[in-house]
This record gives sequence, C-alpha cells and structure tokens, in this order.
Amino acid sequence: DTEVTQTPKHLVMGMTNKKSLKCEQHMGHRAMYWYKQKAKKPPELMFVYSYEKLSINESVPSRFSPECPNSSLLNLHLHALQPEDSALYLCASSQEASRQGARGTEAFFGQGTRLTVV
Amino acid sequence: DAKTTQPTSMDCAEGRAANLPCNHSTISGNEYVYWYRQIHSQGPQYIIHGLKNNETNEMASLIITEDRKSSTLILPHATLRDTAVYYCIVFSGGGADGLTFGKGTHLIIQP
Repeated sequence: DTEVTQTPKHLVMGMTNKKSLKCEQHMGHRAMYWYKQKAKKPPELMFVYSYEKLSINESVPSRFSPECPNSSLLNLHLHALQPEDSALYLCASSQEASRQGARGTEAFFGQGTRLTVV
Repeated sequence: DAKTTQPTSMDCAEGRAANLPCNHSTISGNEYVYWYRQIHSQGPQYIIHGLKNNETNEMASLIITEDRKSSTLILPHATLRDTAVYYCIVFSGGGADGLTFGKGTHLIIQP
C-alpha cells in the first residue's frame, strides 16, 4: 500500500466554522507533512511532523492547528479561516532515513483537500 | 531564495523524448536532485532522484552534469498522460525537512 489518503476531497466552510482535514498512511513512514497550494502556484510547506512530534512550523497562522495522534494519522484543524485561505491542502509522508538521499526517502502525496472558505 | 531554475513551459510531441532542463548552480555537496511532477488537480508524484551519477528507473532518466550545476530529466517516450508540471528540487533528503518547490516546468505533450 503506497497510498496517502486525504479526507474530505472537497470542503466548503464559513469563516466562523471549525473543521478538520484528515490524512492517513500505512507505509510505516515516520515523517508527515502539510502543504498548501494556491491556484497556479507550487505547493508551500506548512508543517512537518517527525516521529509524531512537530518539527517544523513555517510561520503558519494559529487558525491552522496540526495534530498527529499516531504514526499513521495527521490532522489539520481549521478555525476562523479567511477567504484567502481557500486552497488545495496536500498531505505527504516519507520514511526517515539515516542515509541522506537513500532509496525510499521520497515523499508520497495524497490527492489533497480542496478547501473553499466563504 | 529559489535554488533551481527551470523553463516555465515546454512542448513535446507524443512518442518523442521529453528533455526537461534544470539549473542548480548553488547546489551543496550533500544535496540531491529530486524530480516530482504534478498532473492537474492531483498531488505531486515522485519521479527520480540522484546525487552525481546518472539514474534511470521505469519512469525516467536523470542526467546530472559532472559539476552538478545542472541536470536533465528525460522521459523517453512521452505520452499525453505525461502532461504535467515538473518540479526539480535540490534537497539533502533523508530527514524530515520538507520539500521547497520552485515554479516548475509545465510540460505539454502534443498529439
């Protein structure tokens, strides 16, 4: 199984709503990531979890709150979002490797959640 | 700062080899060259990576110049399904640092 599964595929939420995006992988990967992608732009890194601990937060506003309940799951909790937060949110995972660039260190991406904030 | 430079877009005829260049003149000795592609409305897909030797897999070949300042991704027999944005990324890999995507090359395969 080389899949990263993201749910839901589409989400429309109001600016006062609270919602969560979910990501799941069963490849035994110990690094998981959230990316944000605006239309016609490249993905931008938001958060990195390594061994279920937050290791990188790319200065993301606090209205985005990540959570890694176990090694297979990654959530992104959303609260009080703005219309400009509308984007494709991508989850990815990769294997931690002691040898840089070793085979198997590539990242696997989910198909994303397309979020629209109204 | 962008670590890689790629052409904004390229066309290639179906069945021909697609050669996608990438400049990475400031690459460090411990950084690998990774290639990913993103087909419209899908998540990015890993293609290949290498350090200094040329690499080949079932999807593509990667040619890295001897000075490592540039590389070329080769899709040997392009099909319409290869139409996508191709990202060249320099990355030390192995850990959990996350990928920094540049603007990539929009490759359009023409029938």
